[in-house]
Amino acid sequence: QVQLVQSGAEMKKPGSLVKVSCKSSGGAFNNHFINWVRQAPGRGLEWMGAILPFSGITKDAHNFGGRVSITTDESAGTVYMELRSLRRDDAAVYYCARDLRQSTFAYGFDQWGQGTLVTVSS
Amino acid sequence: EVVLTQSPGTLSLSPGERATLSCRASQSVNSNYLAWYQQKPGQAPRLLIYGTSNRATGVPDRFSGSGSGTDFTLTISRVEREDCAVFYCQQCSSAQVTFGQGTKLEIK
Repeated sequence: QVQLVQSGAEMKKPGSLVKVSCKSSGGAFNNHFINWVRQAPGRGLEWMGAILPFSGITKDAHNFGGRVSITTDESAGTVYMELRSLRRDDAAVYYCARDLRQSTFAYGFDQWGQGTLVTVSS
Repeated sequence: EVVLTQSPGTLSLSPGERATLSCRASQSVNSNYLAWYQQKPGQAPRLLIYGTSNRATGVPDRFSGSGSGTDFTLTISRVEREDCAVFYCQQCSSAQVTFGQGTKLEIK
Protein backbone atom coordinates (compact mmCIF):
# COMPACT_ATOMS: atom_id res chain seq x y z
CA GLN A 1 0.00 0.00 0.00
CA VAL A 2 1.47 3.29 -1.14
CA GLN A 3 1.66 5.97 1.52
CA LEU A 4 2.39 9.61 0.82
CA VAL A 5 4.55 11.28 3.45
CA GLN A 6 4.83 15.05 3.42
CA SER A 7 7.42 17.40 4.89
CA GLY A 8 6.81 19.20 8.14
CA ALA A 9 5.06 22.44 9.07
CA GLU A 10 6.48 25.71 7.78
CA MET A 11 6.30 29.29 9.02
CA LYS A 12 6.96 31.88 6.34
CA LYS A 13 6.93 35.64 5.87
CA PRO A 14 4.74 37.41 3.31
CA GLY A 15 6.52 37.69 -0.03
CA SER A 16 8.69 34.63 0.51
CA LEU A 17 8.26 31.14 -0.92
CA VAL A 18 7.53 27.73 0.52
CA LYS A 19 8.47 24.33 -0.89
CA VAL A 20 6.62 21.26 0.36
CA SER A 21 7.66 17.70 -0.44
CA CYS A 22 5.63 14.53 -0.86
CA LYS A 23 7.41 11.18 -0.78
CA SER A 24 6.02 7.83 -1.76
CA SER A 25 6.84 5.38 1.03
CA GLY A 26 5.88 2.38 -1.06
CA GLY A 27 8.30 3.09 -3.85
CA ALA A 28 7.78 4.88 -7.14
CA PHE A 29 4.62 6.75 -7.98
CA ASN A 30 3.95 4.17 -10.71
CA ASN A 31 2.60 6.48 -13.38
CA HIS A 32 -0.07 8.09 -11.24
CA PHE A 33 -0.67 11.82 -11.31
CA ILE A 34 0.22 13.47 -8.02
CA ASN A 35 -1.97 16.44 -7.18
CA TRP A 36 -1.69 19.28 -4.69
CA VAL A 37 -4.77 20.47 -2.82
CA ARG A 38 -4.90 23.07 -0.08
CA GLN A 39 -7.39 23.90 2.66
CA ALA A 40 -7.41 27.21 4.48
CA PRO A 41 -8.57 27.11 8.12
CA GLY A 42 -12.28 26.33 8.29
CA ARG A 43 -12.58 26.42 4.50
CA GLY A 44 -13.03 23.98 1.63
CA LEU A 45 -10.64 22.24 -0.73
CA GLU A 46 -8.75 24.05 -3.49
CA TRP A 47 -6.84 22.23 -6.22
CA MET A 48 -3.43 23.71 -7.10
CA GLY A 49 -2.04 21.53 -9.84
CA ALA A 50 -0.64 18.10 -10.64
CA ILE A 51 2.31 16.25 -12.13
CA LEU A 52 2.79 12.85 -13.76
CA PRO A 53 6.21 12.01 -12.32
CA PHE A 54 7.61 9.65 -14.92
CA SER A 55 6.89 12.07 -17.78
CA GLY A 56 7.05 15.45 -16.07
CA ILE A 57 3.68 16.43 -17.55
CA THR A 58 2.04 19.06 -15.37
CA LYS A 59 -1.48 20.42 -15.01
CA ASP A 60 -1.69 23.95 -13.64
CA ALA A 61 -4.58 25.55 -11.83
CA HIS A 62 -5.56 28.89 -13.31
CA ASN A 63 -6.24 30.46 -9.91
CA PHE A 64 -2.66 31.01 -8.82
CA GLY A 65 -1.29 33.40 -11.46
CA GLY A 66 1.83 31.35 -12.11
CA ARG A 67 2.91 31.33 -8.44
CA VAL A 68 2.90 27.51 -8.21
CA SER A 69 5.55 25.11 -9.51
CA ILE A 70 5.24 21.35 -9.20
CA THR A 71 8.34 19.27 -9.84
CA THR A 72 9.55 15.75 -9.26
CA ASP A 73 12.71 13.88 -8.35
CA GLU A 74 11.81 10.39 -9.50
CA SER A 75 15.05 8.87 -8.24
CA ALA A 76 14.07 10.04 -4.77
CA GLY A 77 10.38 9.11 -5.22
CA THR A 78 9.46 12.66 -4.28
CA VAL A 79 7.22 15.38 -5.67
CA TYR A 80 7.61 19.03 -4.68
CA MET A 81 5.19 21.96 -4.65
CA GLU A 82 6.65 25.46 -4.53
CA LEU A 83 4.40 28.46 -3.88
CA ARG A 84 5.98 31.89 -4.38
CA SER A 85 5.13 35.46 -3.34
CA LEU A 86 3.31 34.18 -0.27
CA ARG A 87 0.36 36.17 1.06
CA ARG A 88 -1.37 35.88 4.41
CA ASP A 89 -4.32 34.16 2.71
CA ASP A 90 -1.99 31.37 1.54
CA ALA A 91 -1.98 30.07 5.11
CA ALA A 92 -3.46 26.60 4.86
CA VAL A 93 -2.90 22.88 5.14
CA TYR A 94 -1.36 21.64 1.90
CA TYR A 95 -2.02 18.06 0.80
CA CYS A 96 -0.55 15.90 -1.91
CA ALA A 97 -2.93 13.33 -3.32
CA ARG A 98 -2.50 10.48 -5.80
CA ASP A 99 -4.83 9.93 -8.72
CA LEU A 100 -6.70 6.64 -8.64
CA ARG A 101 -5.82 5.36 -12.10
CA GLN A 102 -2.43 5.23 -13.78
CA SER A 103 -1.82 7.94 -16.37
CA THR A 104 -5.40 9.21 -15.93
CA PHE A 105 -5.89 12.70 -14.58
CA ALA A 106 -8.45 13.63 -11.93
CA TYR A 107 -10.44 10.42 -11.94
CA GLY A 108 -10.44 10.58 -8.14
CA PHE A 109 -7.74 11.05 -5.52
CA ASP A 110 -7.43 7.81 -3.57
CA GLN A 111 -4.27 8.32 -1.50
CA TRP A 112 -3.55 11.49 0.45
CA GLY A 113 -0.56 12.74 2.37
CA GLN A 114 -0.97 13.71 6.01
CA GLY A 115 -0.96 17.42 5.18
CA THR A 116 1.55 20.20 5.79
CA LEU A 117 0.54 23.30 7.71
CA VAL A 118 1.92 26.50 6.22
CA THR A 119 1.64 29.64 8.34
CA VAL A 120 2.25 33.06 6.76
CA SER A 121 3.02 35.84 9.19
CA SER A 122 5.35 38.78 9.49
CA GLU B 1 -14.22 27.20 -14.62
CA VAL B 2 -16.97 24.82 -13.56
CA VAL B 3 -18.51 25.91 -10.26
CA LEU B 4 -19.94 23.16 -8.08
CA THR B 5 -22.67 24.16 -5.64
CA GLN B 6 -23.51 21.70 -2.89
CA SER B 7 -26.70 21.61 -0.88
CA PRO B 8 -27.74 21.64 1.82
CA GLY B 9 -24.96 23.40 3.68
CA THR B 10 -25.67 21.36 6.78
CA LEU B 11 -27.70 18.19 7.18
CA SER B 12 -28.77 16.98 10.61
CA LEU B 13 -30.07 13.42 10.79
CA SER B 14 -30.66 10.63 13.27
CA PRO B 15 -28.91 7.27 12.94
CA GLY B 16 -30.69 5.05 10.45
CA GLU B 17 -32.10 7.93 8.39
CA ARG B 18 -31.35 8.45 4.72
CA ALA B 19 -29.02 11.27 3.66
CA THR B 20 -29.27 12.90 0.25
CA LEU B 21 -26.49 15.32 -0.68
CA SER B 22 -26.69 17.36 -3.86
CA CYS B 23 -23.94 18.70 -6.11
CA ARG B 24 -24.97 20.98 -8.97
CA ALA B 25 -22.53 22.09 -11.67
CA SER B 26 -22.58 25.42 -13.51
CA GLN B 27 -22.18 23.52 -16.77
CA SER B 28 -22.38 19.90 -17.86
CA VAL B 29 -19.74 17.60 -16.37
CA ASN B 30 -18.32 14.38 -17.80
CA SER B 31 -19.68 11.80 -15.38
CA ASN B 32 -16.37 9.91 -15.49
CA TYR B 33 -14.80 12.83 -13.64
CA LEU B 34 -17.22 13.36 -10.81
CA ALA B 35 -16.05 12.20 -7.39
CA TRP B 36 -17.14 12.48 -3.76
CA TYR B 37 -15.00 12.73 -0.64
CA GLN B 38 -15.59 12.51 3.09
CA GLN B 39 -13.47 14.59 5.46
CA LYS B 40 -13.49 14.21 9.23
CA PRO B 41 -11.97 16.88 11.50
CA GLY B 42 -8.19 16.88 11.49
CA GLN B 43 -7.99 14.28 8.73
CA ALA B 44 -7.25 14.30 5.03
CA PRO B 45 -10.19 13.74 2.70
CA ARG B 46 -11.13 10.17 1.85
CA LEU B 47 -12.30 9.14 -1.61
CA LEU B 48 -15.79 7.64 -1.43
CA ILE B 49 -17.11 7.64 -4.99
CA TYR B 50 -15.44 8.07 -8.39
CA GLY B 51 -16.88 8.14 -11.87
CA THR B 52 -20.21 9.33 -10.39
CA SER B 53 -21.28 5.94 -9.02
CA ASN B 54 -18.27 3.71 -8.31
CA ARG B 55 -17.42 3.06 -4.68
CA ALA B 56 -13.76 3.32 -3.79
CA THR B 57 -12.02 0.42 -2.07
CA GLY B 58 -13.32 -0.24 1.42
CA VAL B 59 -16.30 2.12 1.21
CA PRO B 60 -19.46 0.63 2.74
CA ASP B 61 -22.30 -0.12 0.36
CA ARG B 62 -24.61 2.28 2.22
CA PHE B 63 -22.83 5.00 0.21
CA SER B 64 -23.97 5.41 -3.38
CA GLY B 65 -23.63 8.02 -6.08
CA SER B 66 -25.77 8.94 -9.06
CA GLY B 67 -26.43 11.68 -11.55
CA SER B 68 -25.48 13.11 -14.90
CA GLY B 69 -25.05 16.39 -16.71
CA THR B 70 -25.21 19.11 -14.07
CA ASP B 71 -26.92 17.27 -11.19
CA PHE B 72 -25.23 14.68 -9.02
CA THR B 73 -26.21 13.06 -5.74
CA LEU B 74 -24.47 11.23 -2.93
CA THR B 75 -26.83 9.06 -0.93
CA ILE B 76 -26.18 7.41 2.41
CA SER B 77 -28.93 4.83 2.80
CA ARG B 78 -28.81 4.64 6.61
CA VAL B 79 -26.51 7.09 8.35
CA GLU B 80 -24.35 5.94 11.21
CA ARG B 81 -22.67 8.06 13.88
CA GLU B 82 -19.28 7.49 12.24
CA ASP B 83 -20.55 9.23 9.07
CA CYS B 84 -20.38 12.61 10.81
CA ALA B 85 -18.13 14.62 8.46
CA VAL B 86 -18.00 17.17 5.66
CA PHE B 87 -18.63 15.79 2.18
CA TYR B 88 -17.20 17.35 -0.98
CA CYS B 89 -17.91 16.74 -4.64
CA GLN B 90 -15.15 17.23 -7.21
CA GLN B 91 -15.08 17.48 -10.99
CA CYS B 92 -12.52 17.86 -13.74
CA SER B 93 -13.17 19.74 -16.95
CA SER B 94 -10.65 21.21 -19.40
CA ALA B 95 -7.83 20.02 -17.11
CA GLN B 96 -9.14 22.13 -14.24
CA VAL B 97 -10.27 20.49 -11.04
CA THR B 98 -12.82 22.16 -8.81
CA PHE B 99 -14.50 21.17 -5.56
CA GLY B 100 -17.86 22.05 -4.14
CA GLN B 101 -17.96 24.04 -0.92
CA GLY B 102 -19.00 21.02 1.12
CA THR B 103 -22.02 19.67 3.00
CA LYS B 104 -21.66 19.08 6.71
CA LEU B 105 -23.45 16.00 8.01
CA GLU B 106 -24.38 16.09 11.68
CA ILE B 107 -25.72 13.06 13.50
CA LYS B 108 -28.29 13.81 16.19
